[in-house]
Amino acid sequence: AQTVTQSQPEMSVQEAETVTLSCTYDTSENNYYLFWYKQPPSRQMILVIRQEAYKQQNATENRFSVNFQKAAKSFSLKISDSQLGDTAMYFCAFMKTGGTSYGKLTFGQGTILTVHP
Amino acid sequence: NAGVMQNPRHLVRRRGQEARLRCSPMKGHSHVYWYRQLPEEGLKFMVYLQKENIIDESGMPKERFSAEFPKEGPSILRIQQVVRGDSAAYFCASSPRQVYGYTFGSGTRLTVV
Repeated sequence: AQTVTQSQPEMSVQEAETVTLSCTYDTSENNYYLFWYKQPPSRQMILVIRQEAYKQQNATENRFSVNFQKAAKSFSLKISDSQLGDTAMYFCAFMKTGGTSYGKLTFGQGTILTVHP
Repeated sequence: NAGVMQNPRHLVRRRGQEARLRCSPMKGHSHVYWYRQLPEEGLKFMVYLQKENIIDESGMPKERFSAEFPKEGPSILRIQQVVRGDSAAYFCASSPRQVYGYTFGSGTRLTVV
């Protein structure tokens, strides 16, 4: 079974600064996807960024980028130029490919990020 | 495309009643997933369905919980004889195939009083 661990229950950052959220995972699989989701107070789950494990290049989406270290099983999210709208709960998630569990997401406990003006 | 529609948004049930949560996937999506989020926790997988089939129900409690995704109509998550511990947010997601296009609904918050 896979596990995902987010060791930072809460983080805060000043507007326009950079913050990094940590995530580690444990799996014996070689092929999988990793995700960061954002959950604002509205409760909607919003995909922030996705990384395929077979890709060595780190994924980026505008102000969001990841540091994917496959050997260390680490998948951190960096948010640059933080904005007030980034305030939310952030979840790291794992999905293995293949088999009947394909499509099943395993989530970490979440990190509450607060961006201060 | 209206997105993944879940209703009701909020549901209050007394202990012992039945709760029915509905999920209409995005158009063209044939895979549906249900997750439960307890307060201050991450989402936990419950069940994965395709049309008329349960593919993976490894996260479903053995009793009182059931799910279906009929050929016509929305997917339904049913909780019989609800207890206070069932109070949570229940999310549905759908996808055209397993990874790409994976989209969540806004969730149903169930409160058992």
